[in-house]
Amino acid sequence: DGGITQSPKYLFRKEGQNVTLSCEQNLNHDAMYWYRQDPGQGLRLIYYSQIVNDFQKGDIAEGYSVSREKKESFPLTVTSAQKNPTAFYLCASSRTGALGYTFGSGTRLTVV
Amino acid sequence: GQQLNQSPQSMFIQEGEDVSMNCTSSSIFNTWLWYKQDPGEGPVLLIALYKAGELTSNGRLTAQFGITRKDSFLNISASIPSDVGIYFCAGQLYKAAGNKLTFGGGTRVLVKP
Repeated sequence: DGGITQSPKYLFRKEGQNVTLSCEQNLNHDAMYWYRQDPGQGLRLIYYSQIVNDFQKGDIAEGYSVSREKKESFPLTVTSAQKNPTAFYLCASSRTGALGYTFGSGTRLTVV
Repeated sequence: GQQLNQSPQSMFIQEGEDVSMNCTSSSIFNTWLWYKQDPGEGPVLLIALYKAGELTSNGRLTAQFGITRKDSFLNISASIPSDVGIYFCAGQLYKAAGNKLTFGGGTRVLVKP
């Protein structure tokens, strides 16, 4: 079955460390997205990519980095520059011109 | 970035009740979407609306695309315990850069104690 997979489900990071969250899709979708969700809050866009080797900043890109070397993969790195990284991170994908996204099941990142 | 105004922020339901939530925007959208998020999971698409004035049902869910294209509502009839979760509205413009959605802040549906 096609879908979008995020790993790991739970991630703990020490302060000052970089950490990379994985997102893989086998839906043949062109566009991929990363969102951050804080408790009781909505979804805020971090980065998105419409095509391989290209990506754009979203509303809260500071302290994050991404790459899009393959159509199927869009990893997100939370760097030490992100001052408040504890959150639930959601990856999504969509076909060009299609309506709506397919979401992954999320990664909960906790700084310890 | 712009967010849609979604209300109420939270609500308590009793089994069997009908519940309603809505979303408004200062700008128009071509498409409205409603998602549900279960705890610790990603949002799942419930209903997509493509035309102003459209009324669409999916089981016990009914959603409408406002005639002004600036609002939408979602009704849940005869609620059951598994309706608990967070419901998000989202608006989308045709050919928006990056196919981006604009999300509401969510309505958290809880069960009455």
